[in-house]
Amino acid sequence: DTAVSQTPKYLVTQMGNDKSIKCEQNLGHDTMYWYKQDSKKFLKIMFSYNNKELIINETVPNRFSPKSPDKAHLNLHINSLELGDSAVYFCASSRDMNTEAFFGQGTRLTVV
Amino acid sequence: AQKVTQAQTEISVVEKEDVTLDCVYETRDTTYYLFWYKQPPSGELVFLIRRNSFDEQNEISGRYSWNFQKSTSSFNFTITASQVVDSAVYFCALSEAPGYSTLTFGKGTMLLVSP
Repeated sequence: DTAVSQTPKYLVTQMGNDKSIKCEQNLGHDTMYWYKQDSKKFLKIMFSYNNKELIINETVPNRFSPKSPDKAHLNLHINSLELGDSAVYFCASSRDMNTEAFFGQGTRLTVV
Repeated sequence: AQKVTQAQTEISVVEKEDVTLDCVYETRDTTYYLFWYKQPPSGELVFLIRRNSFDEQNEISGRYSWNFQKSTSSFNFTITASQVVDSAVYFCALSEAPGYSTLTFGKGTMLLVSP
């Protein structure tokens, strides 16, 4: 069983569209995250949720809206996609806010 | 503000060579955690190790070893007798504690092990 799973793995879409990436973890963790990896492989935190509550929002445009319906899920919705949104988006989870994070396989988003 | 520096952008070695990946960090906190992650060509991020700031004991796991030195703010990673399967991008990361667990990553070191 995959511990942290994201769908889709690849997403190609046109500028201006709205898209969602889903993330689920079956580890029973309390904390979930979204990270963005740019074309130079640089990884940066976007959001952190603890027990379904938003804890951290790191200067991400408000076109990005995370939603956590329960502790096991943290979905990422992106409105009005721009070329610069092209990246790999990683979902992750950790037992609590002070332990190691386990990452999903990533979603490669390409905006054309 | 916290910062992680991996000065080596890319390293190429031949199989069976030993290789050390450097990581230097900056933080104002006295309590923090250090991590290494591996990203193979397939793209996933694989957790390798977590160390807290109060535990400077070096760790060895098979061919992998980590050297944590607070005096130089470094957390270096050595692979002994490298193998082609070790080829990946390796990320060092830092999180400050308590209550703030997001990871600040270094820019990564790409390790290429050739046969």
